[in-house]
Amino acid sequence: DSGVTQTPKHLITATGQRVTLRCSPRSGDLSVYWYQQSLDQGLQFLIQYYNGEERAKGNILERFSAQQFPDLHSELNLSSLELGDSALYFCASSQRDRPNEKLFFGSGTQLSVL
Amino acid sequence: DAKTTQPNSMESNEEEPVHLPCNHSTISGTDYIHWYRQLPSQGPEYVIHGLTSNVNNRMASLAIAEDRKSSTLILHRATLRDAAVYYCILMPTGTSGTYKYIFGTGTRLKVLA
Repeated sequence: DSGVTQTPKHLITATGQRVTLRCSPRSGDLSVYWYQQSLDQGLQFLIQYYNGEERAKGNILERFSAQQFPDLHSELNLSSLELGDSALYFCASSQRDRPNEKLFFGSGTQLSVL
Repeated sequence: DAKTTQPNSMESNEEEPVHLPCNHSTISGTDYIHWYRQLPSQGPEYVIHGLTSNVNNRMASLAIAEDRKSSTLILHRATLRDAAVYYCILMPTGTSGTYKYIFGTGTRLKVLA
């Protein structure tokens, strides 16, 4: 158990809908990272937050947004969903935002868009 | 972002050592080298990281070339549980807050019983 909690574990929805994925980092971790993993794209970095502020952005679509709340949990919002958004979404956390930090990953949310 | 190159797949026999290579010829002097692995149906997990010197921990050893353009993750005795995709990642020091742990395609390790 990494200590990172992601909910829900599975999500099935239809095209055009909007969903919210939730991540609770390990106790004491200030930094949260979001990744998307699909079969043909591998692990894609989406976005990173540190203590409530956006710090780094990857290949995140404009239809996707995220935030980190004062209690440090984070949410990833996906809107106008398309079939291609079906993927496993991982959240990770680390204590700080330094290059020698260890990332701890949650078990992911499997999103299926039908 | 500096790139890493890893073989797509490797095989090893159980209880034998495994050497997983990673090339990072464009590495800069202050980039950290990280290794993660992803077991089937799980999120990635941290294995080891280093900067210049070789590193050891309970999971593995990391051997870094003198010119730092390549590194090797060493599993001393592979077990069936070590079958996973292994990712080599570079993390630059520099302006705080611009760290992106960019995962490549990794090496899929198959362990034969």
